[in-house]
Amino acid sequence: NAGVTQTPKFQVLKTGQSMTLQCAQDMNHEYMSWYRQDPGMGLRLIHYSVGAGITDQGEVPNGYNVSRSTTEDFPLRLLSAAPSQTSVYFCASSQDIGGYGYTFGSGTRLTVV
Amino acid sequence: GQQVMQIPQYQHVQEGEDFTTYCNSSTTLSNIQWYKQRPGGHPVFLIQLVKSGEVKKQKRLTFQFGEAKKNSSLHITATQTTDVGTYFCAGNNNDMRFGAGTRLTVKP
Repeated sequence: NAGVTQTPKFQVLKTGQSMTLQCAQDMNHEYMSWYRQDPGMGLRLIHYSVGAGITDQGEVPNGYNVSRSTTEDFPLRLLSAAPSQTSVYFCASSQDIGGYGYTFGSGTRLTVV
Repeated sequence: GQQVMQIPQYQHVQEGEDFTTYCNSSTTLSNIQWYKQRPGGHPVFLIQLVKSGEVKKQKRLTFQFGEAKKNSSLHITATQTTDVGTYFCAGNNNDMRFGAGTRLTVKP
């Protein structure tokens, strides 16, 4: 089992560029989510999905889009990168939204210049 | 909306000393989870508490859930250098909110 796989591990973008962060899980988890982690602010929820075809916004959704066409994949799209989006991004999955522990991917460190 | 506060933000201890981090929610929680993140790593699930007043132990780690299900604590007895990292709580009240974490450093 690979668990939760995130790609890329590192990325540098110029302001205004767009990109997609990939997340895939092989545990048949219904719940998937994206977090950003900034120093001193813990993990903040960007978007989440409770199943294929269903997505919803978290605490900090602005500037990001998601889709969930399959159970396995949950990509995060940055529409027009800004320096404020410099962060470490984690994808997580679980059997449901809060009744089971989350499995996190290894993260993507994004720098926007 | 739901807020989860965690204190302290940082804790530096001498190896062998005890360590405690506290988590407080503005609302009653269905359950609370604890995670550990090693430096440069990703959060790893440690445990979940569900019942009011619940206490669970994992070797030197003791987890408690308050009677009102609004607070929780993680206590590490006799810290070791392998305990270094950031400990997060996450409270569930129809959505999961993470605390800001407590960063633990251990001096050998």
